Amino acid sequence: KAGVTQTPRYLIKTRGQQVTLSCSPISGHRSVSWYQQTPGQGLQFLFEYFSETQRNKGNFPGRFSGRQFSNSRSEMNVSTLELGDSALYLCASSPQDRGLYEQYFGPGTRLTVT
Amino acid sequence: DAKTTQPNSMESNEEEPVHLPCNHSTISGTDYIHWYRQLPSQGPEYVIHGLTSNVNNRMASLAIAEDRKSSTLILHRATLRDAAVYYCILTYGGSQGNLIFGKGTKLSVKP
Repeated sequence: KAGVTQTPRYLIKTRGQQVTLSCSPISGHRSVSWYQQTPGQGLQFLFEYFSETQRNKGNFPGRFSGRQFSNSRSEMNVSTLELGDSALYLCASSPQDRGLYEQYFGPGTRLTVT
Repeated sequence: DAKTTQPNSMESNEEEPVHLPCNHSTISGTDYIHWYRQLPSQGPEYVIHGLTSNVNNRMASLAIAEDRKSSTLILHRATLRDAAVYYCILTYGGSQGNLIFGKGTKLSVKP
């Protein structure tokens, strides 16, 4: 099976702009989670979607949002970008019946805000 | 969420076993223990998970203390490819919620 794919892999945006990142889970996986990774804060959970519904949410401001489509593909959006949003954004998928037992991560999208 | 404590870094020689410790003294009865690792410039990778009994898979073994307040990830023969940051994570119930990553242990493998 193909792994989790994320597009784009690299992105440079200007402060104040918005950005949309895309994630395609492993075929058959219905749960998609998003994480932010920075050198200072490490890996932090953003949100999880399952069957097009947000099932769990981390402690991030409302500028961070996401959605999931009927084919399980997911997008996350960050509006009004700030310099501190520069990070590696990781997407992970897992099978319905495995939950958190086995999450498969994509390679990430490196976002740089200038 | 219950917290885990891991050493910041460890070193190992290639082809020798590696024991990565994790303390989780506040673990509850329904918390699962997960291990993930992150190789340089890659996303995290699932390694193993367990609840009470020791577990083995093709990648590693997980030894869980009888009181469950600590666990050890065992790599039987370290290779250079095993150099990574290893994260020990607890999740309530194991099926929902989210993975809370700590700082992890950076494992270096010397040839």
